[in-house]
Amino acid sequence: GQQLNQSPQSMFIQEGEDVSMNCTSSSIFNTWLWYKQDPGEGPVLLIALYKAGELTSNGRLTAQFGITRKDSFLNISASIPSDVGIYFCAGLQLGGGADGLTFGKGTHLIIQP
Amino acid sequence: SQTIHQWPATLVQPVGSPLSLECTVEGTSNPNLYWYRQAAGRGLQLLFYSVGIGQISSEVPQNLSASRPQDRQFILSSKKLLLSDSGFYLCAWSTSGYGYTFGSGTRLTVV
Repeated sequence: GQQLNQSPQSMFIQEGEDVSMNCTSSSIFNTWLWYKQDPGEGPVLLIALYKAGELTSNGRLTAQFGITRKDSFLNISASIPSDVGIYFCAGLQLGGGADGLTFGKGTHLIIQP
Repeated sequence: SQTIHQWPATLVQPVGSPLSLECTVEGTSNPNLYWYRQAAGRGLQLLFYSVGIGQISSEVPQNLSASRPQDRQFILSSKKLLLSDSGFYLCAWSTSGYGYTFGSGTRLTVV
């Protein structure tokens, strides 16, 4: 089946730093999604991208849908302590059916004071 | 607006005991429903999904089963829990392929 390669696996950064993570695949996706999961909670949708080349912002978060439709990145500017958590990318394929959403393995963001 | 309810939030069960986790969705009709398991705080493993009442697809052979007795109700069950069934279980719903909305999860510890 399809796989999403999400990197980095973990990030240790200082508060105030910018963060960048990405997902790549050998398959084409027609939708890219970015989720954040806080400890003990379910993932929450941050940004949804529906068009190749699309660049979308949500506050300090910016995500882009790659032109090739095989990748996406998420940037977080000026990180704050509440940004800590696990970030997941997910790709949806056209005609993928009910199980068409593929998840990356997550990027664990840790912020050092 | 749509909401998803999942309960219980935490559960400690002995090995060999039965399991029933429930998920309900409000504010939408004919949703696709999903059960995921997450181990060690990362990696979402799709267990079951359903496109309609009584329709269940299993992704991974498990000691678990799922049922959808009503349009907006999805139940995860086991007749006899194993230690390896411990984990964080997440229910989710979607419509028209526009991404998933997750429940708040159930932390299951089998002892």
